[in-house]
Amino acid sequence: EDQVTQSPEALRLQEGESSSLNCSYTVSGLRGLFWYRQDPGKGPEFLFTLYSAGEEKEKERLKATLTKKESFLHITAPKPEDSATYLCAVDNYGQNFVFGPGTRLSVLP
Amino acid sequence: NAGVTQTPKFRVLKTGQSMTLLCAQDMNHEYMYWYRQDPGMGLRLIHYSVGEGTTAKGEVPDGYNVSRLKKQNFLLGLESAAPSQTSVYFCASRLAGGNSGANVLTFGAGSRLTVL
Repeated sequence: EDQVTQSPEALRLQEGESSSLNCSYTVSGLRGLFWYRQDPGKGPEFLFTLYSAGEEKEKERLKATLTKKESFLHITAPKPEDSATYLCAVDNYGQNFVFGPGTRLSVLP
Repeated sequence: NAGVTQTPKFRVLKTGQSMTLLCAQDMNHEYMYWYRQDPGMGLRLIHYSVGEGTTAKGEVPDGYNVSRLKKQNFLLGLESAAPSQTSVYFCASRLAGGNSGANVLTFGAGSRLTVL
């Protein structure tokens, strides 16, 4: 069965303290890996798509990378407004996506 | 563009009552999905549709029904609500599959349902 896990479950950082979130996947095939940001009371918002091992994407303080077994979301010098839940999802060539449970990130001023 | 719109945003039901959640998208997307999100469980797929007039079961379909009579609308029905269906429901849509921006999911803002 295809599965996506994320770690840590929750992460508290001081403003400016860089860190990484992990998304590990076990799937029959990988067409794409997606990162979403979800703010409290809102729907997930698209951040990145990665299609092949070695690929990297950047947006402001966020950088997503992909290997054959996992993806990392690196957050450089985070600010309080980066606080959110970050979701990882895999398109396994099916008609649906497989979502991970998410990482709750809190950035303290 | 409005994107994906869900109504209602909040609803409280009594056990055994029925209701329908409406999802509307104005992006001409082919695929539409209904998820539920519970603390610690992540997003779980209830039902989905790959085009007008089609529906299929997802991971947790029991107790729910769906219809896609028009391409832009996807309805989620609860025939006899149970407390276990208390959750936040998200609708999402995408243009199609494939290696392109077409397979990015766009989500609605969510519908919070409480069943007493």
